Amino acid sequence: SQQGEEDPQALSIQEGENATMNCSYKTSINNLQWYRQNSGRGLVHLILIRSNEREKHSGRLRVTLDTSKKSSSLLITASRAADTASYFCATPRYNQGGKLIFGQGTELSVKP
Amino acid sequence: DGGITQSPKYLFRKEGQNVTLSCEQNLNHDAMYWYRQDPGQGLRLIYYSQIVNDFQKGDIAEGYSVSREKKESFPLTVTSAQKNPTAFYLCASSIDRHQPQHFGDGTRLSIL
Repeated sequence: SQQGEEDPQALSIQEGENATMNCSYKTSINNLQWYRQNSGRGLVHLILIRSNEREKHSGRLRVTLDTSKKSSSLLITASRAADTASYFCATPRYNQGGKLIFGQGTELSVKP
Repeated sequence: DGGITQSPKYLFRKEGQNVTLSCEQNLNHDAMYWYRQDPGQGLRLIYYSQIVNDFQKGDIAEGYSVSREKKESFPLTVTSAQKNPTAFYLCASSIDRHQPQHFGDGTRLSIL
């Protein structure tokens, strides 16, 4: 079964608005990663937050991690039409070659 | 530019046929992975390899086989034993199992 569960499954906003996506996971983690997938393309790594970090920023992205609640959120500020994509959280299993356990993703649509 | 190349982009399989998906990387990465993505879902691991001449089964290896004879190449064969092969297949690589993964643009496999 998948480790992460994302919510919402789909999100539609206007350009310039902020988009928040949430991810929950079940087991203890070393880090949590967020990836973006444009339609019909591969995944692109966005940001990695370690288990001892609570918040991390990268450009318009802000990720938070609450290990007590086993949850993370991804905030995209001042969204653009080009942000339209699916967003996945993933947690690695280092005792299994670093395989990533993915959630089902949030499909974000940013309307111009 | 360094990256991962998957080919072909689209592939059709006849009943009882084996097909091979190509994955080549020029990033000098040791670890390579094959994932399967079904519509509206996250990715699931088929096989992974941490080093040349070594590979391990992932969560859904039945009906698939791989080889890792060269560092830059990790082909996936979908055998006739895989009864539901229609999916989007993604290859990924990383420097090692502790680092984020880089993905190719996928191969979409369908049944004729």
